[in-house]
Amino acid sequence: DARVTQTPRHKVTEMGQEVTMRCQPILGHNTVFWYRQTMMQGLELLAYFRNRAPLDDSGMPKDRFSAEMPDATLATLKIQPSEPRDSAVYFCASGLSPDTQYFGPGTRLTVL
Amino acid sequence: RKEVEQDPGPFNVPEGATVAFNCTYSNSASQSFFWYRQDCRKEPKLLMSVYSSGNEDGRFTAQLNRASQYISLLIRDSKLSDSATYLCVVKVDSNYQLIWGAGTKLIIKP
Repeated sequence: DARVTQTPRHKVTEMGQEVTMRCQPILGHNTVFWYRQTMMQGLELLAYFRNRAPLDDSGMPKDRFSAEMPDATLATLKIQPSEPRDSAVYFCASGLSPDTQYFGPGTRLTVL
Repeated sequence: RKEVEQDPGPFNVPEGATVAFNCTYSNSASQSFFWYRQDCRKEPKLLMSVYSSGNEDGRFTAQLNRASQYISLLIRDSKLSDSATYLCVVKVDSNYQLIWGAGTKLIIKP
């Protein structure tokens, strides 16, 4: 049963530190999304990749967030420097099209 | 006005009852509609797509009303395991983005 994997599952860090979150999409899926979920805002799209190319990262604070796909099996989301307001659950999702997205278990980030 | 709106609930429903909730969307150009389910502290999972003619999957029925711009989800003979947050998702086909509702929380009580 193919699944999207994400690491780490939980991360507690201090303000100002760099945070790197990793995602392994389901093999063969050519679309990858990064989302952030908070109680207040719900699910927010941060970035979208198709065939490893970033098509949209307008949802990300550009000064501190960056998303990449170094290869088809790895997507990364970095926050540098992290701030308390970045505390959220970060989900990666992959699919063969944007319509059907398979989510990973998420990274629960707490920035103190 | 939000692009996709849902009653946040929670809906407290006794086991075995039928429950329905709606989701309204603002963009009349929306073409694709979905219901996702999210269990507490878990990731969202696709429950069902919503077709123009409506569709049924076991105890779950989804309907689309384009004139009034809403979709609905009906759950019959509710089970304790149906307790979750149900997310309404809308897509404008000219765009890749899925627009997510904030979710409706459902609690099934024994």
